[in-house]
Amino acid sequence: DAGVIQSPRHEVTEMGQEVTLRCKPISGHDYLFWYRQTMMRGLELLIYFNNNVPIDDSGMPEDRFSAKMPNASFSTLKIQPSEPRDSAVYFCASSFEVGTGGSPSRETQYFGPGTRLLVL
Amino acid sequence: AQTVTQSQPEMSVQEAETVTLSCTYDTSESDYYLFWYKQPPSRQMILVIRQEAYKQQNATENRFSVNFQKAAKSFSLKISDSQLGDAAMYFCAYHGTASKLTFGTGTRLQVTL
Repeated sequence: DAGVIQSPRHEVTEMGQEVTLRCKPISGHDYLFWYRQTMMRGLELLIYFNNNVPIDDSGMPEDRFSAKMPNASFSTLKIQPSEPRDSAVYFCASSFEVGTGGSPSRETQYFGPGTRLLVL
Repeated sequence: AQTVTQSQPEMSVQEAETVTLSCTYDTSESDYYLFWYKQPPSRQMILVIRQEAYKQQNATENRFSVNFQKAAKSFSLKISDSQLGDAAMYFCAYHGTASKLTFGTGTRLQVTL
């Protein structure tokens, strides 16, 4: 398996522009996570999906951020308009749930290579 | 809320030696998973090892092993026979009833000749 795929790997944009980050989870995984890593805040969860449905978006910083998962093999994280403080590395991760439903997945999350975003 | 603490911002070890990275966590849950992830300069997050809280036996993966002390809420990582390729940031992470991983602040490991 190719693992979690993210694109682009690097993005440089100007303040006010729209930024779209893309993620393809590992085939068969039913959980998808978006994380952000900064020096100040470390690694933090932004949002996660289960079976393409957003479950918890409490980590999304503000309305400028939105995420979608139109199908099991693709997700986007959009920032509009972007600001310099959004500069960070954004990771996508996926996992699958083992056993019966009801409890969130406890299985290992596999991370993509990340997208390094710089907003000037 | 769960918290994960890594009290060692930086550690250094000589090649072929053994090093232990510390991690403590705070939780009221009894069922959870703990992980160590490695982040080399490429920034890729790589799973090193994981431990299920209900298992008393410490997890091992080749040169990597953990010392899991559930009562003390401690989860340290031991790297034996350190290699240059082990140099990276190491993150301890907690996974409980919520699906999200809660990460520590990381320990930067340097491996010297």
